Amino acid sequence: GQNIDQPTEMTATEGAIVQINCTYQTSGFNGLFWYQQHAGEAPTFLSYNVLDGLEEKGRFSSFLSRSKGYSYLLLKELQMKDSASYICAVKDSNYQLIWGAGTKLIIKP
Amino acid sequence: IAGITQAPTSQILAAGRRMTLRCTQDMRHNAMYWYRQDLGLGLRLIHYSNTAGTTGKGEVPDGYSVSRANTDDFPLTLASAVPSQTSVYFCASSEVAGGLETQYFGPGTRLLVL
Repeated sequence: GQNIDQPTEMTATEGAIVQINCTYQTSGFNGLFWYQQHAGEAPTFLSYNVLDGLEEKGRFSSFLSRSKGYSYLLLKELQMKDSASYICAVKDSNYQLIWGAGTKLIIKP
Repeated sequence: IAGITQAPTSQILAAGRRMTLRCTQDMRHNAMYWYRQDLGLGLRLIHYSNTAGTTGKGEVPDGYSVSRANTDDFPLTLASAVPSQTSVYFCASSEVAGGLETQYFGPGTRLLVL
């Protein structure tokens, strides 16, 4: 079966750095997405990786290793507004998105 | 403002009743999707449409139906609601189906079936 694993919850301190890991086992691979979802709101797109390596976008970076079935989302200079769930999703060989359950990130002052 | 709208925002529904959740996008996206999101689970695809006039079944289609009469609208119907259909429902769209396209989400409909 297809599976995406990410931690259920993480806690970090304002101003610090946090890394949210995602491992996946899917039938084929056509890209990995990270979405942010604030409580009670819709998911919004953060980043996309299709090749191995690091993609940087401001305070957020996303890394991919296809051979290891692994990605992480790195958030720097954490702000209180970064408190949200972060969802990893992979496009399989049929270009269907397989979604992880999300990691709830709690930021403490 | 361009985007996706969903209606209603929330609904309490008696079991056995029929309900249609509405979704409209004004981005002229070809592909549209319906997901349900339950606590502790990832988004699960109910139905999708790659282009107007076509629809397909997702991971959890039972008890739901959709239609895609035009590009903008993609309603989801629960023919006879059951309590297990209590969930948050998100409609999404992407410019094309497949490939590298990002999906954009509507604000969601919170449905409680009693």
